[in-house]
Amino acid sequence: DSGVTQTPKHLITATGQRVTLRCSPRSGDLSVYWYQQSLDQGLQFLIQYYNGEERAKGNILERFSAQQFPDLHSELNLSSLELGDSALYFCASSRRLAGYNEQFFGPGTRLTVL
Amino acid sequence: DAKTTQPNSMESNEEEPVHLPCNHSTISGTDYIHWYRQLPSQGPEYVIHGLTSNVNNRMASLAIAEDRKSSTLILHRATLRDAAVYYCILRDRETSGSRLTFGEGTQLTVNP
Repeated sequence: DSGVTQTPKHLITATGQRVTLRCSPRSGDLSVYWYQQSLDQGLQFLIQYYNGEERAKGNILERFSAQQFPDLHSELNLSSLELGDSALYFCASSRRLAGYNEQFFGPGTRLTVL
Repeated sequence: DAKTTQPNSMESNEEEPVHLPCNHSTISGTDYIHWYRQLPSQGPEYVIHGLTSNVNNRMASLAIAEDRKSSTLILHRATLRDAAVYYCILRDRETSGSRLTFGEGTQLTVNP
């Protein structure tokens, strides 16, 4: 158990819909990362927050957005869903920003868009 | 982040040592070498990291070549639970909040 929790575990929805994925980092971790894992693209970094502020953006679509709240939990919002958005979405957290800090991953949310 | 090259797959027998290679010929002086693994149906898990010297922890050892252009993750006695995809990743220590850039990794199969 990494200490990072993600809800829900599974999500099935239809094209065009909007969903929210939730992540609670390990106690004391200020940095939250979101990653997407699909069969054709592998594991890809989406976005990172540190202490409530956006720090880095990766291959995140404009239809996707995220935020980190004062209690440090984070939400990833996916809208106008397409079939290709079906994937595993992982959240990770780390204590600080430094590049050598290890990241702790949650169990993931499996999103299926029908 | 600089690129790494790993074999697509490797096979080992239970209780034998496993040496997982990684080439990173364009590594910079400020890049840390990280290893993560992903067990089936789980999120990635940190294994070990190092900069210049060899490193040991309870999970594995990391052997870094003198020129730092390659490294080897060593699992001293493979167990069935070690079957996973192993990712070798370079992270710049100077870049705050650097993301993990995952490649294809090496799929390790452990035979009983």
